Amino acid sequence: DAGITQSPRHKVTETGTPVTLRCHQTENHRYMYWYRQDPGHGLRLIHYSYGVKDTDKGEVSDGYSVSRSKTEDFLLTLESATSSQTSVYFCAISESGFANTGELFFGEGSRLTVL
Amino acid sequence: DAKTTQPPSMDCAEGRAANLPCNHSTISGNEYVYWYRQIHSQGPQYIIHGLKNNETNEMASLIITEDRKSSTLILPHATLRDTAVYYCIVRVGTFNTGKLIFGQGTTLQVKP
Repeated sequence: DAGITQSPRHKVTETGTPVTLRCHQTENHRYMYWYRQDPGHGLRLIHYSYGVKDTDKGEVSDGYSVSRSKTEDFLLTLESATSSQTSVYFCAISESGFANTGELFFGEGSRLTVL
Repeated sequence: DAKTTQPPSMDCAEGRAANLPCNHSTISGNEYVYWYRQIHSQGPQYIIHGLKNNETNEMASLIITEDRKSSTLILPHATLRDTAVYYCIVRVGTFNTGKLIFGQGTTLQVKP
């Protein structure tokens, strides 16, 4: 299994509080992604990174920011959490970002509940 | 961006072949078709991908029509552990920052 660790795995927070989810990889892969999964919506891409300090928006980026200061860590921040951000968040990594048909490896997910 | 269409659910008898269809009629010539699956609440798992030719690996076979407008994922001998949501995805995005957009997928129920 690819070395991907998400933390925390479970978190309950209140509306308006900041939340940061961390994705840590030991594979030295260049590309990292954050997805959220909600019933009826499947997996939706929030943000992704194609290198240190290089990030771009996905389908549902509003209300989220990301940072990648080193290869192994990709942080997802909710500046002011809302109930609509209650979801399961998955981090994924890719060696080549599909330029050479590389595949995605997913973490185990982080379940966030915003009350 | 190329879109995919999959049936929302399918059943399959244990030990039989499971054939999961996917329509991607707007796919362009250099876009690959990927298949992933998600078992229960785990992270999605890569299965197989292809461009034009049929592909086979230890998990499954991928059959792509000659016009590339559709494909079929085949699990040759489905087991109960193959019960999952299966996603057919077409790669989108630029060369260096390509991203995968997941749709709703097909929920495959393998029955004893």
